[in-house]
Amino acid sequence: DVKVTQSSRYLVKRTGEKVFLECVQDMDHENMFWYRQDPGLGLRLIYFSYDVKMKEKGDIPEGYSVSREKKERFSLILESASTNQTSMYLCASSFLGVGNQPQHFGDGTRLSIL
Amino acid sequence: GQQLNQSPQSMFIQEGEDVSMNCTSSSIFNTWLWYKQDPGEGPVLLIALYKAGELTSNGRLTAQFGITRKDSFLNISASIPSDVGIYFCAGLLLNTGNQFYFGTGTSLTVIP
Repeated sequence: DVKVTQSSRYLVKRTGEKVFLECVQDMDHENMFWYRQDPGLGLRLIYFSYDVKMKEKGDIPEGYSVSREKKERFSLILESASTNQTSMYLCASSFLGVGNQPQHFGDGTRLSIL
Repeated sequence: GQQLNQSPQSMFIQEGEDVSMNCTSSSIFNTWLWYKQDPGEGPVLLIALYKAGELTSNGRLTAQFGITRKDSFLNISASIPSDVGIYFCAGLLLNTGNQFYFGTGTSLTVIP
């Protein structure tokens, strides 16, 4: 069974902290994505990666960075967390052959910034 | 960024009823996806549509890629309690660097 695993279901951090959200997939997928989900706004793409060490900005990259050192792992970094980054964060992956279509999602990390 | 308009925002229906929801935009899309999200979980891909006019089924679910390429529709027949969840559409906009844009979701409640 395919699996996208996000390291934390719930996370509480303070304003100004550096925050790391980790995502691992076991399907040998080339593409990996980070989205944030907010009520009334749907899912918005923050960054995606189509290969190790490759990254592309999505719709809302400001305040975030990413790291993809290994194929199976894609990390989202909040350099200096702010309260407006309180949200649900979802990681996804897919094979290169389906284009940038997010196929398999993790269960999300609900992040609260105090 | 682009936003897809999904309607209705929420639905409360009796078990056994059919359900229809849609996704519209002022822009032209060349791929449509439909997802379902259960409470506390990530979205699950239900159906993918790649051609204008295409009609695709997945069990009791049927989705259509609108002829104008600006909309898509999802129908659920004979609803059951496990259909409860939030349904999202997502579209691939031409000439946007291959990024999918998501709708705002339709929350479905099925009353047994």
